[in-house]
Parts: sequence; C-alpha cells; structure tokens
Amino acid sequence: GIQVEQSPPDLILQEGANSTLRCNFSDSVNNLQWFHQNPWGQLINLFYIPSGTKQNGRLSATTVATERYSLLYISSSQTTDSGVYFCAVRRNSGYALNFGKGTSLLVTP
Amino acid sequence: SQTIHQWPATLVQPVGSPLSLECTVEGTSNPNLYWYRQAAGRGLQLLFYSVGIGQISSEVPQNLSASRPQDRQFILSSKKLLLSDSGFYLCAWETSYEQYFGPGTRLTVT
Repeated sequence: GIQVEQSPPDLILQEGANSTLRCNFSDSVNNLQWFHQNPWGQLINLFYIPSGTKQNGRLSATTVATERYSLLYISSSQTTDSGVYFCAVRRNSGYALNFGKGTSLLVTP
Repeated sequence: SQTIHQWPATLVQPVGSPLSLECTVEGTSNPNLYWYRQAAGRGLQLLFYSVGIGQISSEVPQNLSASRPQDRQFILSSKKLLLSDSGFYLCAWETSYEQYFGPGTRLTVT
C-alpha cells in the first residue's frame, strides 16, 4: 500500500513561534487531507489539498504532487494549536484514506 | 449543513460480549461511509467502507462486521469482543473526495 511519512514526530513550540510540518507519500494520490486531532479525539479538517497551495488564517498548506510531499505551515502558534496533526492520502484507485503517524505538537505559554 | 453523529461516546465491555456502534449522517444523500479504528499510538486504519445501502467492503479481516441498513446509517458490530478490539472508532462520510469524521466512540474491552 501507499506509504505516508510525517515529520517531525514531536514538536514543542513557544507561543508565537512558527512551524512547518512535512508529509511525504509514496504514490500518486487523488486526495490529500490535513487534520488536527484535538485532546478529545475529534479529527478536525484543516485542508483538502491534493495539489497547490491554500491558506486559512494562520494556517497554510502546500502540496507538490509531482514530488509527492505536502507541507503544513502554522504561524504565530497558540496553545490551542496543541494536538496531533495528521496527513492522510488516497491513491487514485481506492477508497481508504491512508494516514501518517502524525506530528504531536505542544505549544507552551 | 451536514453533520455526523456517533454513539455511544464511550463504552466499556467485557471480553466475549457483543458490540454495536452506530453512525448517522444528516444533510446529505447517498454518501460514502467509512469506519476507521485508531489504536493507542495514533495511526488510523480503515476497517470498512460502504458506497450504498447494503454494500459493504472490508479492508481488514477481523472480529468485526459492518452493515448499512439505511442510506445514512452505518453500524459496526461484533458477536464476541476480544481484548484487541479496544480502541477509538471513528465514522466518516465523504463528499467530493473529502472525508469528514464523527466524534468517535472510545471502546475499552476488559
């Protein structure tokens, strides 16, 4: 199956700092999504971005499909940004979203 | 707008007991529906998906089964739970390739 690798696995930031999370994948995809899992377990959709660049407030994402990677940028981080960030992809012929192992982010005051 | 419900939110069941988890979606018709499990340590794994009423595909052979009795209802079941069935179960629906997740059911098998 398709491999999804996220880095770094863990990240600690001070409030106000910026960060970049990376997702590498091993095959062509028709779906790439970034999620934030909050402390209660809810998976919150951040971006649907199989290619290109999108921005939503302090968050932005870029996917370079030809090079099989995606980046999630968090600017001016806040304590509420803490949690686990997942990248998930789906192959061109399939239904399953294949998840990476996530990046665990802790933002300290 | 579309919403997805799951219940119960938490469940503690003894080994060997049956299981029924329910997921319902509002505000959409004929969605693709999915059951995922998240074990401790983060990764999510697809268990079942359905593209229509009565149509179920299994991704991983195991102790669980799924059914879709109505268009917007997806049920995860087991006749006899194992300790390894513990985990966080998430239902998802899909529109235009993007998947959205429900709040999840945290299952502990004792």
